[in-house]
Amino acid sequence: DTAVSQTPKYLVTQMGNDKSIKCEQNLGHDTMYWYKQDSKKFLKIMFSYNNKELIINETVPNRFSPKSPDKAHLNLHINSLELGDSAVYFCASSPILRPGLDSNEQFFGPGTRLTVL
Amino acid sequence: KNEVEQSPQNLTAQEGEFITINCSYSVGISALHWLQQHPGGGIVSLFMLSSGKKKHGRLIATINIQEKHSSLHITASHPRDSAVYICAVRGFTDKLIFGTGTRLQVFP
Repeated sequence: DTAVSQTPKYLVTQMGNDKSIKCEQNLGHDTMYWYKQDSKKFLKIMFSYNNKELIINETVPNRFSPKSPDKAHLNLHINSLELGDSAVYFCASSPILRPGLDSNEQFFGPGTRLTVL
Repeated sequence: KNEVEQSPQNLTAQEGEFITINCSYSVGISALHWLQQHPGGGIVSLFMLSSGKKKHGRLIATINIQEKHSSLHITASHPRDSAVYICAVRGFTDKLIFGTGTRLQVFP
């Protein structure tokens, strides 16, 4: 199936641990994103990559490090997890990055619910 | 104050009713997105528009760039339309700014 997939779907871990969330898209898209949805269901962009290059980094703590080994993958590694990191993390992709010129529909992954105890 | 405001925050309707969800924004945009988040958590893109009006089945989205306002309409609502509807605007740096969402419940 063509889609944006994320693993794992659920992640429960202790404070202070390091964890990774993986994202893969087989839609042939050039741009990928990570979003965080907090407990009030508010979505906020964290990172955007275009062809493995970081485009947007939205004042996210440097404990969060995205890694894009190729344009089909954008993984999120989180060091020294804190209670406030508990949220649902969504990966998304869109076809082409043309800021201000084209409008690009985004395709979302199913989300990863991270719970930090 | 959020750059993207939605109203109402919560909406309850009877099956068959016509529903309108509003979105106002305060920044310059290149496009506006309407998203649907199902009770299970998945997010689906419904519309992306930069002018005028778009229609998919029972869903209609309109945007007025001068007034910085968009509406999402659902005709002949159905319980399966129950979800959170999220408005998001795309600035000129590809960044999406999200509204707080409108939770819709449609009862049979």
